[in-house]
Amino acid sequence: NAGVMQNPRHLVRRRGQEARLRCSPMKGHSHVYWYRQLPEEGLKFMVYLQKENIIDESGMPKERFSAEFPKEGPSILRIQQVVRGDSAAYFCASSPTGTNNSPLHFGNGTRLTVT
Amino acid sequence: KNQVEQSPQSLIILEGKNCTLQCNYTVSPFSNLRWYKQDTGRGPVSLTIMTFSENTKSNGRYTATLDADTKQSSLHITASQLSDSASYICVVSAIYSGGSNYKLTFGKGTLLTVNP
Repeated sequence: NAGVMQNPRHLVRRRGQEARLRCSPMKGHSHVYWYRQLPEEGLKFMVYLQKENIIDESGMPKERFSAEFPKEGPSILRIQQVVRGDSAAYFCASSPTGTNNSPLHFGNGTRLTVT
Repeated sequence: KNQVEQSPQSLIILEGKNCTLQCNYTVSPFSNLRWYKQDTGRGPVSLTIMTFSENTKSNGRYTATLDADTKQSSLHITASQLSDSASYICVVSAIYSGGSNYKLTFGKGTLLTVNP
């Protein structure tokens, strides 16, 4: 049973380009969460999605950031017109339910570098 | 403001020795506390989850304790191994409507290095 798969592992973009980060949850998991980790900081919640629905995007910047989790295929975190401050590790996690006390399973992250 | 503070920031020990990592939190209303292990360049991996009513939970050589009154937790690692070298992250979940578990407050982690 494969774990949470994220790709690419590393992504380099120039300022102003678009970044697309993909996340395939564990088999049987329909709840996906995106977190961002800045250097020397703890992970910060960005967005929570279920299939075809955004449940909570309160942690995601209103401008330039969007996320989706279509009926078929992986979840996508999209960052338009990237800036240097977007450089970070982006982690996706999944769970079988959205209830409390269930462990989140994390992917190995995508490290975005904006030059 | 919900916060999780961990100490020490970093720790170096010799293989075979024990160590204890600390976590203080101010998350409210409290739901559960989790310890994760994060290897360099990898995602966090869950070690333990403790709810309000649990004060000790073990997972192999890892033992977590929770004092919900003082809002403190510790992670004790016994007979350390080289593979224990990693960042150990304390994560606290607050109760939100619907019982959702995703708005977690992460500590910055304790970086543990186990030397031969």
